[in-house]
Amino acid sequence: ETGVTQSPTHLIKTRGQQVTLRCSSQSGHNTVSWYQQALGQGPQFIFQYYREEENGRGNFPPRFSGLQFPNYSSELNVNALELDDSALYLCASSFGRGRNNEQFFGPGTRLTVL
Amino acid sequence: DAKTTQPPSMDCAEGRAANLPCNHSTISGNEYVYWYRQIHSQGPQYIIHGLKNNETNEMASLIITEDRKSSTLILPHATLRDTAVYYCIVLGGNEKLTFGTGTRLTIIP
Repeated sequence: ETGVTQSPTHLIKTRGQQVTLRCSSQSGHNTVSWYQQALGQGPQFIFQYYREEENGRGNFPPRFSGLQFPNYSSELNVNALELDDSALYLCASSFGRGRNNEQFFGPGTRLTVL
Repeated sequence: DAKTTQPPSMDCAEGRAANLPCNHSTISGNEYVYWYRQIHSQGPQYIIHGLKNNETNEMASLIITEDRKSSTLILPHATLRDTAVYYCIVLGGNEKLTFGTGTRLTIIP
């Protein structure tokens, strides 16, 4: 157990809808990263938040957006859902920035878009 | 970020040491080597990371060659619960973990 929790565990939406996924980071961690993992592939980086500011973004369209709150928990919002958004969404928390900080992952939220 | 190359799959007998290789020939001097593993449908699990010295923790050992162009993850006494996909990642300045396809390690009873 990493202490990183995500909700909900599973979610089914229809194309065009909007979804919000939530992540609570490990105690003491101020950095949260979000990843998308399609079936059979490795996780792909969406974006990272450090102390409530976006700190880097991967190759995802603007309809993927996020927030980090003062308690360092985070949300991932996806608008105008497409079928290809069906995936496991993972968040990972770490303490601080830099390359010498391991990221600890939550169990993920499995999103199915019909 | 430097690209990594790993064998797609490996088998190891239960109780033996599992040695997982990774090539990262374009690694830069300030980039770290990270290892994660993922058991089916779970979140990736951090294993170990290093810069240039060999590292050991309660899970594994990481051996990095002197030129830093390759590394080996060693699980000293593999158990059935070590069956997973293992990812070798070079972490660069953008601080994002770039996962490749990894090595699917199967522990044979």
